[in-house]
This record gives sequence, C-alpha cells and structure tokens, in this order.
Amino acid sequence: NAGVTQTPKFQVLKTGQSMTLQCAQDMNHNSMYWYRQDPGMGLRLIYYSASEGTTDKGEVPNGYNVSRLNKREFSLRLESAAPSQTSVYFCASSVKRTANYGYTFGSGTRLTVV
Amino acid sequence: GENVEQHPSTLSVQEGDSAVIKCTYSDSASNYFPWYKQELGKRPQLIIDIRSNVGEKKDQRIAVTLNKTAKHFSLHITETQPEDSAVYFCAASPSNDMRFGAGTRLTVKP
Repeated sequence: NAGVTQTPKFQVLKTGQSMTLQCAQDMNHNSMYWYRQDPGMGLRLIYYSASEGTTDKGEVPNGYNVSRLNKREFSLRLESAAPSQTSVYFCASSVKRTANYGYTFGSGTRLTVV
Repeated sequence: GENVEQHPSTLSVQEGDSAVIKCTYSDSASNYFPWYKQELGKRPQLIIDIRSNVGEKKDQRIAVTLNKTAKHFSLHITETQPEDSAVYFCAASPSNDMRFGAGTRLTVKP
C-alpha cells in the first residue's frame, strides 16, 4: 500500500518548456488535489478533483492544467513554464464523500524553472 | 473563498513547556479543521482534526479547540519534546477543498 505516489521527485526546466507532474493513489479515495508550497506562504491550492470526471480551479490555477485520468490518477501540466512556477508541488487525496476528511499527501516534486 | 490566518509564524519553547498556535478563518461554512505537521524535507502529515460540532479534542499531548462564533481554532502541545520541532499548518474546509494557513515553525530547545 504505497498511499500517494508522485513523479518525478525533482525537475529542472527551462523557461517555456512544458512538463506533466504525475500523481497516483491506491487508497480508493474520491478526491484529489494539487498544491504548491512556497516559503512563508503555506500550501496554496492549484486545482482539485472532487470526484472522478470533475476538476475545479483553486486559488492559483493560472499557468496550469489538470487531468483526472481515472479514480487513481490526477496529473498537473505546465504548458509553458515560468520562473514564478519554481516551487514544491504536492499532490493529495481524500476519501471525502459527504463529509470532509484529512488529506494524505505525496512526497512532493521540487521544480526549478530557470 | 476561505481565508485562513495563522499566528505566530515562528515559536521557540524550552523542552517540557507548552506551545500554542492560533488560526482564524473567514468562511462560516467551514466545518472541518485539521492540523498538519511537516518535518524538514518531508510531506505534511495529519496530526489531529476537529469538526464544527465539537469544541475540543485531545490526543495524548496534543489538543485542538474551536470557537465557531469567533471563527478561530487553536493547537495546544503540552510537555514539548525536541521531536515536536517542525512546521505546523492549520487548515479549514468549507466544502470541496481545503485552505491552509501560512504555517508556524516550532523549535523545541533541549
């Protein structure tokens, strides 16, 4: 039981390059989330998927797109990376149905855009 | 959307003392309030949570209190130990997502 798995763990991109961050969970959770973490700013929500087949914008969606491929997988895509997107990205999942529950986080992806 | 403010941003205590971290939220629809601990270079991990129909919850040395009227909630750690040193995040969840405070870096000095 791996929990939430993120790949890659580290990535360096040049400005303008694109990439996809992968996230998969094996806990049969319904909801999945992408956050970015910057020093002194906590965790900010980029996009979330409350259930398979749905996605919604969070606090900071500009410059990102997401795909809920199936119940297990939720990917985050940067179409044209910018230095402002240098951050640590965390994927999370939750069993949430009618009530809120705590999140299980992946180990994070440290992304540097130069 | 929900806005969560967290204080203090840094907190230093002596081993054995108590530590208190406070958060306020803006959305009265928020009904779930978890706390996460993040050690350096690691992922955030849930340590305790409270729902809006409960005023206080304890788990060994950790307790959380909630004042719905004032829209604030607090984390209390008693008998602190060096391994409690980490960044702590509060969060509030009104519906389908969760918003986090900016974090408190707790240092417990031996």
